[in-house]
Amino acid sequence: QKEVEQNSGPLSVPEGAIASLNCTYSDRGSQSFFWYRQYSGKSPELIMFIYSNGDKEDGRFTAQLNKASQYVSLLIRDSQPSDSATYLCAVNRNYQLIWGAGTKLIIKP
Amino acid sequence: EAQVTQNPRYLITVTGKKLTVTCSQNMNHEYMSWYRQDPGLGLRQIYYSMNVEVTDKGDVPEGYKVSRKEKRNFPLILESPSPNQTSLYFCASSLDPSYEQYFGPGTRLTVT
Repeated sequence: QKEVEQNSGPLSVPEGAIASLNCTYSDRGSQSFFWYRQYSGKSPELIMFIYSNGDKEDGRFTAQLNKASQYVSLLIRDSQPSDSATYLCAVNRNYQLIWGAGTKLIIKP
Repeated sequence: EAQVTQNPRYLITVTGKKLTVTCSQNMNHEYMSWYRQDPGLGLRQIYYSMNVEVTDKGDVPEGYKVSRKEKRNFPLILESPSPNQTSLYFCASSLDPSYEQYFGPGTRLTVT
């Protein structure tokens, strides 16, 4: 079992709909959780981070963390074609960041 | 402008020829990392450094070396590259691993 797991996709969502991306992790001691977006051929860039159980909202993005079930999710409301990218989940374990393989999201106009 | 720079951006080399990929950041960050990214495997940490002269192995350190003699620089050294080190490499920096990582533009390495 990988330490951080994501569905590789692709996940296809119509423009204007809600895109839901999920990530599960195995280390119960993990404290910090991150969502990064990576366009093809580019570097990852931070979308959101979350430390506490519950929801955290930033514009069209909402991160949800459930430590008991060991999953973290990212919701993208009013999806735009520019949201088409690979979304990487990362979990802080001690002094390291452990990354999922990413979910490819395609927003269809 | 706050940034992480890497050089070279593209490199094609032959098996066994030593190479160095440089990484520099201008944000006074303590924490720096090297990752490799391969299709279907995501980002895997090679080495990280908590501060000057403090480095540690990540999940895939075999075949790589690093040094941290200055806070801003964190070069990645491949003493004897092999074809299985063909990959996309990213350097990243942050205040701490629990904070946002700032990535360099990447170095695409091909070892033939």
